[in-house]
Amino acid sequence: GAGVSQSPRYKVAKRGQDVALRCDPISGHVSLFWYQQALGQGPEFLTYFQNEAQLDKSGLPSDRFFAERPEGSVSTLKIQRTQQEDSAVYLCASTRAAGPFQETQYFGPGTRLLVL
Amino acid sequence: QKEVEQNSGPLSVPEGAIASLNCTYSDRVSQSFFWYRQYSGKSPELIMSIYSNGDKEDGRFTAQLNKASQYVSLLIRDSQPSDSATYLCAVNDGLTGGGNKLTFGTGTQLKVEL
Repeated sequence: GAGVSQSPRYKVAKRGQDVALRCDPISGHVSLFWYQQALGQGPEFLTYFQNEAQLDKSGLPSDRFFAERPEGSVSTLKIQRTQQEDSAVYLCASTRAAGPFQETQYFGPGTRLLVL
Repeated sequence: QKEVEQNSGPLSVPEGAIASLNCTYSDRVSQSFFWYRQYSGKSPELIMSIYSNGDKEDGRFTAQLNKASQYVSLLIRDSQPSDSATYLCAVNDGLTGGGNKLTFGTGTQLKVEL
């Protein structure tokens, strides 16, 4: 595709509800990242996939957060039993290759989650 | 805990002036440095990347890196009202196992005034 796409763009959830956020990376991109951006803050790393393998999930804030990328392309970030502190913009980014540190991360438009 | 520090601003400059944005980082093994621009309600957009000490110029933008001082800056010449945005400094340590995840600062809000 032309760029990274994410859906839904906006999500309002009641506290305790489960949500699923989708990311479609740029076609052929090996690496995929999820970030969480709270209001007035910079994005914070959540998790990283290289193809279908989740190589780093050190940024996931609790076991209520789960991410998968079963076929190495589309990824889903799932949040169970949402809490108000989960309200943030969830950004997905992808890179063409996995190794070189010069690789540019291309960001999607984000999903804005509001938990009431 | 890796840290990236930026002054949150707002930094106000008149149209046509030079805007200077600064960033310091704590991890000496950091390998690559990025400046992203983020308009309100939009996603981050890459402006500049720099990997070696010194200056790197691209149009009206110049990135400067000093690894000894753990300092990276972005200069915007001939600032335009359309440059008004939040500028995010991001760093990665280049560890292949870490997948080149980025550590971001909180961003500096730039306002270019007519």
